[in-house]
Amino acid sequence: QVQLQESGPGLVRPSETLSLTCTVSGGSISRNTYHWGWIRQPPGKGLEWIGIIYPSGGAYFNPSLKSRVTISLDTSRNQLSLKLTSVTAADTALYFCARQSSSAIDPWGQGILVTVSS
Amino acid sequence: QTAVTQEPSFSVSPGGTVTLTCGLSSGSVSTSNHPSWYQQIPGQAPRTLIQSTNTRSSGVPDRFFGSILGNKAALTITGAQADDESDYYCLLYLDSVSNWVFGGGTKLTVL
Repeated sequence: QVQLQESGPGLVRPSETLSLTCTVSGGSISRNTYHWGWIRQPPGKGLEWIGIIYPSGGAYFNPSLKSRVTISLDTSRNQLSLKLTSVTAADTALYFCARQSSSAIDPWGQGILVTVSS
Repeated sequence: QTAVTQEPSFSVSPGGTVTLTCGLSSGSVSTSNHPSWYQQIPGQAPRTLIQSTNTRSSGVPDRFFGSILGNKAALTITGAQADDESDYYCLLYLDSVSNWVFGGGTKLTVL
């Protein structure tokens, strides 16, 4: 079964770029059946959909984050990545990577907490 | 911008039935919004319960039922158990601009 694992720095300074990687095992990210994406959850708040990427290359983003977000796939390593520029304290959150289809988001990674602080 | 609405909190007695809803601040929810439902214990990854309106994910007991009720998506839990006490989120596809949007979540208490 497909499993996802996030990795990256747990602390990012304000105005810098948040960079996370998600390693996928148990299935290839190259298959066009699914999309791959990111979701986040600020402490004590609800889930926020960040965006998804298709293996064919198309990508779709939350309009509120679109200007600062890049999502990409590395098919040779079976990984997806997230970059979020010009971060502020409001970007402090638990970040999840996940597989998404038109039906649902499933499965999810376990999540990684990223804190934005100087 | 259209918002996805959920009840902030709900309470159910053990063994009871509860229906959580997922609506739109403008318009009606239909199967075209591909509603899905997620259960989350704070600090943990969400668990996918319902896909495409009413398809239970693998391993999800048939006490959980997804549907469209009136102009909203709905998650009905029957025979509520103590470990159903969690946060529940719905996810809807809105359009090619907004894309996918989560509801604000419902905190379910079983007591």
